Amino acid sequence: EPEVTQTPSHQVTQMGQEVILRCVPISNHLYFYWYRQILGQKVEFLVSFYNNEISEKSEIFDDQFSVERPDGSNFTLKIRSTKLEDSAMYFCAGLAGAPMGSYEQYFGPGTRLTVT
Amino acid sequence: GQNIDQPTEMTATEGAIVQINCTYQTSGFNGLFWYQQHAGEAPTFLSYNVLDGLEEKGRFSSFLSRSKGYSYLLLKELQMKDSASYLCAVEYNQGGKLIFGQGTELSVKP
Repeated sequence: EPEVTQTPSHQVTQMGQEVILRCVPISNHLYFYWYRQILGQKVEFLVSFYNNEISEKSEIFDDQFSVERPDGSNFTLKIRSTKLEDSAMYFCAGLAGAPMGSYEQYFGPGTRLTVT
Repeated sequence: GQNIDQPTEMTATEGAIVQINCTYQTSGFNGLFWYQQHAGEAPTFLSYNVLDGLEEKGRFSSFLSRSKGYSYLLLKELQMKDSASYLCAVEYNQGGKLIFGQGTELSVKP
């Protein structure tokens, strides 16, 4: 069964540094998402991406965040200057069909980001 | 806002049945998902409801009432491995983005 993969599984970085989190979605997926989950808290939507552009983003997704799909395979989340409060588990998710509420989102295993 | 409410924690006995409730705001509703999440792992899909009624999938069933903004997840013949957090998530406005509840931490005891 195809899976969403994410690298690295754990990233430790110093405050102010840039990080890039990588995801390889399932090949026939067309819609892509990033979510985060701070330890002990709920899963929060960050951004959705379709047809090589952002379709929606949350208030969390400020100017420090960016996403791209540079080669039609990888889907990346970049945080330009990390803050302590960016420490969280970051999940990539993908969706095959039109986001009409008819399909499940497949989640990757996550990247645990620790900012020190 | 788009608040999703579910109980914080529940305890049940192995072999029993447990029902986890979820309420949500109905404006813009497009579909409701239930996910299971073990500590430190990704959410895994359990069920999806878009129309009123019950969807059954083995030991797990999920119910939806759109007019009441209410859903429940029913787990039958509980096993120890069912101990996990159960996340209710609502898709609003056909955008695909999911708004998650806080999760219900289920403990299954022998």
